[in-house]
Formats: sequence, C-alpha cells, structure tokens
Amino acid sequence: GAVVSQHPSRVICKSGTSVKIECRSLDFQATTMFWYRQFPKQSLMLMATSNEGSKATYEQGVEKDKFLINHASLTLSTLTVTSAHPEDSSFYICSATGLHEQFFGPGTRLTVL
Amino acid sequence: DAKTTQPPSMDCAEGRAANLPCNHSTISGNEYVYWYRQIHSQGPQYIIHGLKNNETNEMASLIITEDRKSSTLILPHATLRDTAVYYCIVRDRGGSEKLVFGKGTKLTVNP
Repeated sequence: GAVVSQHPSRVICKSGTSVKIECRSLDFQATTMFWYRQFPKQSLMLMATSNEGSKATYEQGVEKDKFLINHASLTLSTLTVTSAHPEDSSFYICSATGLHEQFFGPGTRLTVL
Repeated sequence: DAKTTQPPSMDCAEGRAANLPCNHSTISGNEYVYWYRQIHSQGPQYIIHGLKNNETNEMASLIITEDRKSSTLILPHATLRDTAVYYCIVRDRGGSEKLVFGKGTKLTVNP
C-alpha cells in the first residue's frame, strides 16, 4: 500500500513552546489529509481535515488557533501545536487519501513537560 | 459518532481463524464497510473494504450479510502479530470522506 511518513516520531517539549509535526505522502499525491489525536486507551479522534491550497476544516471543540495546519503541497501537511501544555500530550496521527482508501502515518508521540 | 458497534475484546488461539463481528444497522445504500487495525503505538493499517459482496485479499476475508446490517472480518490463520485493535467503519467510498473511529475490538492472539 501507499506510504505515509511522519516526522518526528517522538518529541518532548517544555510547556509554552510550539511543536511542528510533518506528514508526507511518499509515493502519491494527496489532495486531502486528516489529523487525528489519540489519548491512552482511547480511540482515534479526528481533529481536522486538511485540503491542499485551502484552509483546514476543524472538528467541533478543536481550537484552530492552537492547532495550526498548513497543507502547502500535494505531499506535505504540517500540524503545529502552539503554546503546548501538558494536556496536549498525546499520540498525533495523520492520514492521506488515495483514490478510495486512507493511508495512515506511523504517528508522533508528543510529551509536554 | 461511530455508526458501528463491536465487542470490546476477543481472544483467539494462534493458528485458528479469528472472526470479528460488526453491527452497522443504520448503514445507507452508498456506504461501504471498511476495516482497519491498529497495532500498539502505530498508525492504523487498512485491511479490507466491501459494499455488499464478500471480499477477500491477502490479509483477510470480509463477509457482509445480505441486508448489510452486519459484517464479519475473518483472519483465516491468526498469528501473534495479528494482536491489535480492529476497527469497523462505514463511510462513503470517496477518498476525501473522513473516517469516524469507534472503540474497536481488541483482539488478542494467544500462543
């Protein structure tokens, strides 16, 4: 299947700093990418839908000014967690859409101290 | 909200078939049934999808009832590496349609 990468795979930061997570589709172009968040022992929760060249669509309850999404090309979307706090510690997963399926990245483990 | 219900957990012996059920009684005519799995601390992996006919690929088989209100994912010869959370999801087939994850079934394959 198609390959989606995320970078970094793990990041630890201090409270109040910003963290950028990259999501790349390696062998196909993705007009749409999705960002999910997963807390321990819970399911994936969709945060936002990212469309190339346009503003992201955020799910209810997700602060767009805190979770900045940029989808500047057909192979790259970035999620920036601004002014991170310990409650933002989570597993962040992106996905990119092929013709009919979504392909997921390996996830980024964010720990905010 | 997820449109599917799955048992929270199941066990299976290594080498045996694992049959994972899913109820989707409110599925609409243009919605497909998708199955993904998530091994601990990894991103979800696509397994299979179908509309109304049974489907088979190198990973699994998908059996959908005639009324489409339920389905079963079959792993014919489960291995220890199949231990994961399995998610059954219904959605339109378009790639831009978002996936809504329920709680899934935690399958444990025992030696």
